[in-house]
Amino acid sequence: GQQVMQIPQYQHVQEGEDFTTYCNSSTTLSNIQWYKQRPGGHPVFLIQLVKSGEVKKQKRLTFQFGEAKKNSSLHITATQTTDVGTYFCAGPSGNTPLVFGKGTRLSVIA
Amino acid sequence: DTEVTQTPKHLVMGMTNKKSLKCEQHMGHRAMYWYKQKAKKPPELMFVYSYEKLSINESVPSRFSPECPNSSLLNLHLHALQPEDSALYLCASSQRGFNSPLHFGNGTRLTVT
Repeated sequence: GQQVMQIPQYQHVQEGEDFTTYCNSSTTLSNIQWYKQRPGGHPVFLIQLVKSGEVKKQKRLTFQFGEAKKNSSLHITATQTTDVGTYFCAGPSGNTPLVFGKGTRLSVIA
Repeated sequence: DTEVTQTPKHLVMGMTNKKSLKCEQHMGHRAMYWYKQKAKKPPELMFVYSYEKLSINESVPSRFSPECPNSSLLNLHLHALQPEDSALYLCASSQRGFNSPLHFGNGTRLTVT
């Protein structure tokens, strides 16, 4: 079945440093979605990428979808303590439900 | 704030109890989901309802019984659970199905004693 791998599993950064998490799927994705889950909270939808090679920005966050629609990345510039949480990528393949990556847990040291 | 409302927020139940989790959304979404999430793990899909019909059951044990009374409501009936079923249970909805983003509720943190 479809698998979505996400690295790294954990990332500790000093406030102000950049952060990147990578997502790879074993199959071509219809789209890729990114979610953020704060400690003790629930996943919150951040963004959806649909087109091959698509790049979208949300303030300090930059999301990319690979040309083959099998990989994606999330880059945060100049991290802040409010960025703390676990970032999940998730993607449907064809007519299958979303498969979530294992997530990258980001901690930011002030 | 979330537009998907789940109750209760916390639930402690014994292995012989029967309880229900409730979920409500008023966004007009036609797909609703139950996910289970263990600590430090991603959400794990349990059930999907599409247009009020059960469309996916991810081989969930029968001690979990979903119900969709109408397009806005989703229940999860619990009976004879095991301690390993303790987890965060998340309800979610999406506008059109698998390609649409998920809107999650705050979840019910379930402890089985």
